[in-house]
Amino acid sequence: DQQVKQNSPSLSVQEGRISILNCDYTNSMFDYFLWYKKYPAEGPTFLISISSIKDKNEDGRFTVFLNKSAKHLSLHIVPSQPGDSAVYFCAASPPWGSSNTGKLIFGQGTTLQVKP
Amino acid sequence: DGGITQSPKYLFRKEGQNVTLSCEQNLNHDAMYWYRQDPGQGLRLIYYSQIVNDFQKGDIAEGYSVSREKKESFPLTVTSAQKNPTAFYLCASSISGGRGQPQHFGDGTRLSIL
Repeated sequence: DQQVKQNSPSLSVQEGRISILNCDYTNSMFDYFLWYKKYPAEGPTFLISISSIKDKNEDGRFTVFLNKSAKHLSLHIVPSQPGDSAVYFCAASPPWGSSNTGKLIFGQGTTLQVKP
Repeated sequence: DGGITQSPKYLFRKEGQNVTLSCEQNLNHDAMYWYRQDPGQGLRLIYYSQIVNDFQKGDIAEGYSVSREKKESFPLTVTSAQKNPTAFYLCASSISGGRGQPQHFGDGTRLSIL
């Protein structure tokens, strides 16, 4: 049962345009969401996060939007650069409970290609 | 320069053999994690530890074992009971294992079966 889903395996955009990566989740009790970026043969790198009490968080070119009613979040990258080409994972923090503390549940990832 | 070091980068296992993947961090983080990544899938949690000498099973712990004898070290053993060990293994750490804390990852170990 996939609790965090990234339904688009890949996305291609032109340099300078906006990249929008999407993520859906099933559990309304998730209270933190994070985005990671991963280059081949490297570990993921943390990009940006959002708490469920907010609907938007911005950091430079990266903005994350959270729509709790739709159980949907998105990562916007503006403007997109060739160096942004990577796999992007969204992750969610499961509901409170001692067995869940610190855990993250990851989506399958979306491969972004930014063309020069 | 602080970070997480995983070794080796590539590892080959023979049938019936146990292998141990190393993970060391100098970030002074309390919590450490092991994930497995398969092609086209997200990261799945194998084991995690929030404090020395304590660890919990994640979602796919069968066939794996860990130890946490030192704060900076969290080795993962892939035992012969793990029937499909070929994957990319990632180690991560976070400051205290608190909710929503970003996890910092090493560069991974790719394990293959000979």
